[in-house]
Amino acid sequence: ETGVTQTPRHLVMGMTNKKSLKCEQHLGHNAMYWYKQSAKKPLELMFVYSLEERVENNSVPSRFSPECPNSSHLFLHLHTLQPEDSALYLCASSQGTGGGTGELFFGEGSRLTVL
Amino acid sequence: AQTVTQSQPEMSVQEAETVTLSCTYDTSESDYYLFWYKQPPSRQMILVIRQEAYKQQNATENRFSVNFQKAAKSFSLKISDSQLGDAAMYFCAYRIPDSNYQLIWGAGTKLIIKP
Repeated sequence: ETGVTQTPRHLVMGMTNKKSLKCEQHLGHNAMYWYKQSAKKPLELMFVYSLEERVENNSVPSRFSPECPNSSHLFLHLHTLQPEDSALYLCASSQGTGGGTGELFFGEGSRLTVL
Repeated sequence: AQTVTQSQPEMSVQEAETVTLSCTYDTSESDYYLFWYKQPPSRQMILVIRQEAYKQQNATENRFSVNFQKAAKSFSLKISDSQLGDAAMYFCAYRIPDSNYQLIWGAGTKLIIKP
């Protein structure tokens, strides 16, 4: 596979469930990102990892827990979510977190519905 | 505060015609980058075009070009000879140098192509 792949593509969960979103990049990048995309709103950056270390956490509720075991994989662990957390969650990668072309490479997203 | 505004939630254009998507931004920085990203219905966001603020020449990529007006803080995207495959959400984004993750995003414009 090439590019950035995300699984699952769709996820429905109850408020008490625990689930995880997975992202894998095959581009040799060393930075990975989680974004939240809600309808008619700008993308919201949630977490940034550079060389497997978290470099940015935009005041995201603790019910979202990221994990980056290596530079190719990124997880978003979900626990006790709220209905307002329903959204499209996008993973992205880049070569470094500063400078260069600045281009982000995105996955197709995981559509999360919280009941 | 740095903001990006896309004033057109939705635009439509006849196939083969030209359409312009608007983007304005607010910043006190003099050096920065501007981007247009495209998100087709399959949801994978891809970079369309990029402009460095210090360059006076407008960026072009095949049928895509920008009209960058730095003093007016305007960065519009022109799509010539519109094709059905251009149908997508288009997002304008701004970032300061040396930080790939400090991207400020607009809310997006949905482009509809009429056959």
